[in-house]
Amino acid sequence: NAGVTQTPKFQVLKTGQSMTLQCAQDMNHNSMYWYRQDPGMGLRLIYYSASEGTTDKGEVPNGYNVSRLNKREFSLRLESAAPSQTSVYFCASSLTGIHPQHFGDGTRLSIL
Amino acid sequence: SQQGEEDPQALSIQEGENATMNCSYKTSINNLQWYRQNSGRGLVHLILIRSNEREKHSGRLRVTLDTSKKSSSLLITASRAADTASYFCATDGDGSSNTGKLIFGQGTTLQVKP
Repeated sequence: NAGVTQTPKFQVLKTGQSMTLQCAQDMNHNSMYWYRQDPGMGLRLIYYSASEGTTDKGEVPNGYNVSRLNKREFSLRLESAAPSQTSVYFCASSLTGIHPQHFGDGTRLSIL
Repeated sequence: SQQGEEDPQALSIQEGENATMNCSYKTSINNLQWYRQNSGRGLVHLILIRSNEREKHSGRLRVTLDTSKKSSSLLITASRAADTASYFCATDGDGSSNTGKLIFGQGTTLQVKP
């Protein structure tokens, strides 16, 4: 079982470039999430999708947009990348909002 | 802002010893979860304890929850080198919704020496 798959695993961008991070889950989960993790920090929620067709802001949504393409896929877009967005991005999914979350292995993004 | 504060930030023990990590949070919750993160990997769910539970066990893991003190502890007994990882507590925020919006602590980095 693949679980939660994130692509790409690594990316380097220049300030102002745009990029979409992809996430797909094969567990038939309803809820999906995007987090960022900065050095020495826990995860902070960027956006989440409680169910197909819905998205909502988390703690740190500024500078990001998301699309819940279908039940399996949830993408995160940086329209104009900034150095402050250098981070490791994790996608997660759960059966519903009250169930434990399953995480991908992250996308390591550097913005120069 | 982060809901959870974890203590200690780092812990180094010998194989076979017990490891205890603590987590404090600020608001009411429905549940509290513990996750493990190995270096360079995503988080893995360990255990979930509901607000009406005081203690829960899973293998070598024991979690306690004291809602009056807004705190939780994770005990790993008879630690192994493979337990070396970062451990995070996560709460569901204000306790009024089931959206899955988790707030994570900063984590405890555990090193178990062989």
